[in-house]
Amino acid sequence: ETGVTQSPTHLIKTRGQQVTLRCSSQSGHNTVSWYQQALGQGPQFIFQYYREEENGRGNFPPRFSGLQFPNYSSELNVNALELDDSALYLCASSLGADPNYNEQFFGPGTRLTVL
Amino acid sequence: DAKTTQPPSMDCAEGRAANLPCNHSTISGNEYVYWYRQIHSQGPQYIIHGLKNNETNEMASLIITEDRKSSTLILPHATLRDTAVYYCIVRVANTGGFKTIFGAGTRLFVKA
Repeated sequence: ETGVTQSPTHLIKTRGQQVTLRCSSQSGHNTVSWYQQALGQGPQFIFQYYREEENGRGNFPPRFSGLQFPNYSSELNVNALELDDSALYLCASSLGADPNYNEQFFGPGTRLTVL
Repeated sequence: DAKTTQPPSMDCAEGRAANLPCNHSTISGNEYVYWYRQIHSQGPQYIIHGLKNNETNEMASLIITEDRKSSTLILPHATLRDTAVYYCIVRVANTGGFKTIFGAGTRLFVKA
């Protein structure tokens, strides 16, 4: 059984650029959630995809967007990068969409630095 | 909009039990309490979850009060590798679904 993987592990971008982060969910999982974790803080929920549809979103602007593919892998896209977007971006997969009944399995994260 | 409160940090001696408290006074009747931990620079790791009965697995025990307004995560014999940030979580309703809200967690330091 393959765990959650994310790519790339580290990334450096400049302000105003666009970035795409990728996540492969654990085998058999149909739900992917994305989180942003600034240094010293807990993860902040960005959005969740269930069977290729967004079904929950946190307090992030529209320049944060995502996709989920038929194989349940996922992308997080961030446009017009700002310095405050520098963070660890975490992807988590689960078997179902309701976090009340399904534990989430997290990937190692992508460390994004915006200069 | 965090629904849980935890102390910011705790210390524990190696080999002793670590008891990490969490308040979730607004929890609904059908909501589980989940615990995750995050070791430095890694993704959070699932530990345990429960509804109203006490739970135990190979990592930890979870004690939930009868009124379900608080719980305690117990690491029975803490090791140096248990030094991490521990998050107590309940779900939050969100447009079109639910979301997981992490608070600041409790930073546990296990000391030799």
